Amino acid sequence: DIQLTQSPSFLSASVGDRVTITCRASQGISSYLAWYQQKPGKAPKLLIYAASTLQSGVPSRFSGSGSGTEFTLTISSLQPEDFATYYCQQLRLTFGGGTKVEIK
Amino acid sequence: EVQLVESGGGLVQPGGSLRLSCAASGFTFSSYSMNWVRQAPGKGLEWVSYISSSSSTIYYADSVKGRFTISRDNAKNSLYLQMNSLRAEDTAVYYCARVARDGYNYVFDYWGQGTLVTVSS
Repeated sequence: DIQLTQSPSFLSASVGDRVTITCRASQGISSYLAWYQQKPGKAPKLLIYAASTLQSGVPSRFSGSGSGTEFTLTISSLQPEDFATYYCQQLRLTFGGGTKVEIK
Repeated sequence: EVQLVESGGGLVQPGGSLRLSCAASGFTFSSYSMNWVRQAPGKGLEWVSYISSSSSTIYYADSVKGRFTISRDNAKNSLYLQMNSLRAEDTAVYYCARVARDGYNYVFDYWGQGTLVTVSS
């Protein structure tokens, strides 16, 4: 089974900061990776798929990159509404453990 | 507007059964593959089960294989999850989620609000 490891598990950042979250796959998955954002008490929201394709309606400050086994989600300038938990997901459907982004 | 509304959650004793439903609207349900995803209290997301648009392909996570059964009724625009032999570790919010489109089975573009299942004596 393919495992996804996200790092860090938790990060503290300020509004305006550039934030990068990493997702590593235990074996190559080409570009079959999606990123989701989840706020407390809410369902996850799709941000990015195919590693770097922005879902319709998602702000352009979100971007994704990578292929094979290493992927990143970048928020270019963190906004107050971006404080949430972020998950990656791979083509075999399993999710990474999540990265919680909190206000510094 | 795409809507997915789960129902059927509740409190059940260990070893018991429960059937979750997901009512879909705002899109052609029969054209989309669907999934169940769960989230234990304070934990991350766990994919549970996948069903293709025609029900011809079904997958389960190892943690539920042999105990849970996914199904759908395209005439009723509904997705189901029959959960048997429930354990405490099945306690979670259960979400139904739509697959974005063919070839992107790992991309879930719409999610329901979730229904809470609590397994406890």
